[in-house]
Amino acid sequence: GNSVTQMEGPVTLSEEAFLTINCTYTATGYPSLFWYVQYPGEGLQLLLKATKADDKGSNKGFEATYRKETTSFHLEKGSVQVSDSAVYFCALSSTSGTYKYIFGTGTRLKVLA
Amino acid sequence: NAGVTQTPKFQVLKTGQSMTLQCAQDMNHNSMYWYRQDPGMGLRLIYYSASEGTTDKGEVPNGYNVSRLNKREFSLRLESAAPSQTSVYFCATPGRSYGEKLFFGSGTQLSVL
Repeated sequence: GNSVTQMEGPVTLSEEAFLTINCTYTATGYPSLFWYVQYPGEGLQLLLKATKADDKGSNKGFEATYRKETTSFHLEKGSVQVSDSAVYFCALSSTSGTYKYIFGTGTRLKVLA
Repeated sequence: NAGVTQTPKFQVLKTGQSMTLQCAQDMNHNSMYWYRQDPGMGLRLIYYSASEGTTDKGEVPNGYNVSRLNKREFSLRLESAAPSQTSVYFCATPGRSYGEKLFFGSGTQLSVL
């Protein structure tokens, strides 16, 4: 079945450091891929998405490229800020004939001033 | 325009008690979902409904029942609550079409003692 695997956290970085959070997926066909962010005490909100191979989603300085050949959708940001501290979830919309959205386990990011 | 409305926001139950979590959406989409969020486990799908009148099990359906009352409403019921069901519960629906981003309710924090 469809699944999402993302790197375990927590990830601790200094302000202005480069961020990469790895995400790989298993799916047949061409799922849509998403990154969601959850700030402390809040619900999930969409950070970015990509709907087909080689698409690059971007928002608030974050980027992720849909790589069909490596089944990956890694999240990157060139210079993190303290305000980026949150939990990040990789997700896909299932292509197996169901209407399910599958989430990874989440990666907690802590950015230190 | 409320989007996705969940009630209650907080609930404390004793083992063996029952309760129903309510979810309503005004986004006019067919699909609705119930997830639970636990530390280190990410979001796990409990049940989903692809359209009015249909419901299907997700990854962790045991101990739960659902009702898709109409296109707007999708409720989650715990018949006999257990401490293992202590979690944060989220209802969600796609905004426009399947494969687009999910809109989430604000969550229900449930504690079972």
